[in-house]
Amino acid sequence: EAQVTQNPRYLITVTGKKLTVTCSQNMNHEYMSWYRQDPGLGLRQIYYSMNVEVTDKGDVPEGYKVSRKEKRNFPLILESPSPNQTSLYFCASKSGAGELFFGEGSRLTVL
Amino acid sequence: EDQVTQSPEALRLQEGESSSLNCSYTVSGLRGLFWYRQDPGKGPEFLFTLYSAGEEKEKERLKATLTKKESFLHITAPKPEDSATYLCAVQGSSSGSARQLTFGSGTQLTVLP
Repeated sequence: EAQVTQNPRYLITVTGKKLTVTCSQNMNHEYMSWYRQDPGLGLRQIYYSMNVEVTDKGDVPEGYKVSRKEKRNFPLILESPSPNQTSLYFCASKSGAGELFFGEGSRLTVL
Repeated sequence: EDQVTQSPEALRLQEGESSSLNCSYTVSGLRGLFWYRQDPGKGPEFLFTLYSAGEEKEKERLKATLTKKESFLHITAPKPEDSATYLCAVQGSSSGSARQLTFGSGTQLTVLP
């Protein structure tokens, strides 16, 4: 089954404690992306990757890092999380036709 | 900068009561306009892509249309299972937006039985 898998789905952490949200896709898509979704603000892009070892900033990259060492994986790293990073995070990959396939989401709370 | 505005923010319909959701956009060179459906606690699910003004696409009770300034998602005789948040997104042709989508805030649709 074609899917994008994120982990963890739910996470509560404290300010400053580094964390990584993993994302994996099995569709051999070159393009992958991370979004955060906040009430009233919609989906905002954090980082995206056009292919292995190629990453670029989206609209809200501050406080986040990404890496793309393999085509299927695109982890999101929060080096020193802060409360304003409390949000619902989605990973997505994009087909050649331009359709985004989203993961189930990771709800992060930073205390 | 690409912009997408969706209206209304929320819509409550009785089962069978047809209506339309609006997506107004500004973009430099539209490469595609996308509609997604999002259920609570889930990731958005792709519905349609529209590429040029005048284009229409249908899927079950949903029909998406596109003009040069806006897109409509028409819902005919909706059922309670159509309740969800509907998201609109655009991709433009400028060097930045060619690589990413700009999303609207969505319309939360509730269909009452």
